[in-house]
Amino acid sequence: EAGVAQSPRYKIIEKRQSVAFWCNPISGHATLYWYQQILGQGPKLLIQFQNNGVVDDSQLPKDRFSAERLKGVDSTLKIQPAKLEDSAVYLCASSLGPGTAAYEQYFGPGTRLTVT
Amino acid sequence: GESVGLHLPTLSVQEGDNSIINCAYSNSASDYFIWYKQESGKGPQFIIDIRSNMDKRQGQRVTVLLNKTVKHLSLQIAATQPGDSAVYFCAENRGYQKVTFGIGTKLQVIP
Repeated sequence: EAGVAQSPRYKIIEKRQSVAFWCNPISGHATLYWYQQILGQGPKLLIQFQNNGVVDDSQLPKDRFSAERLKGVDSTLKIQPAKLEDSAVYLCASSLGPGTAAYEQYFGPGTRLTVT
Repeated sequence: GESVGLHLPTLSVQEGDNSIINCAYSNSASDYFIWYKQESGKGPQFIIDIRSNMDKRQGQRVTVLLNKTVKHLSLQIAATQPGDSAVYFCAENRGYQKVTFGIGTKLQVIP
């Protein structure tokens, strides 16, 4: 079974520029998550989708971050404009849907963003 | 506020010895607790979880202990191997698949 795919793997941008990350979840997984992981810390949930609807975006900085999952499959996370403190690894994860346990949440390899 | 955290940032263990990674939590309302392993350049990988109404659970070479009296969670790895070198996170789960991660402990296995 193919895992969660993310691209690009690495991105370097200057502050105030824009950037977008892409995620392709495991086939058939209805729930998709975006996490931000700052170096030395645990991942922090930014947004959770159930199909193409948002379940939780309480920790998403909405003035600069946006995410969409228009067809309920792939998702993009955008930052505009980027700040230095946005330097982090952005992880995408997916799971089957409501009722599944945390161990059934599978993570992609992440995109490492460096803002200079 | 509510949080999940770790006592030690780095743990060095001789190959073949047992490893114990500790975690303190403050939220008593969690449904269950989870341990993840994260290798360099990869996303977190589920290791084992334990429901809040249990105090011990065993897996293959790993054991998780939960002490609700002192709000303490530990992960024991038996016969630690070089492949166990990674960062380990404890996390809590409260409803609707929401997982909150702690800070992490780096495990270094000395050959």
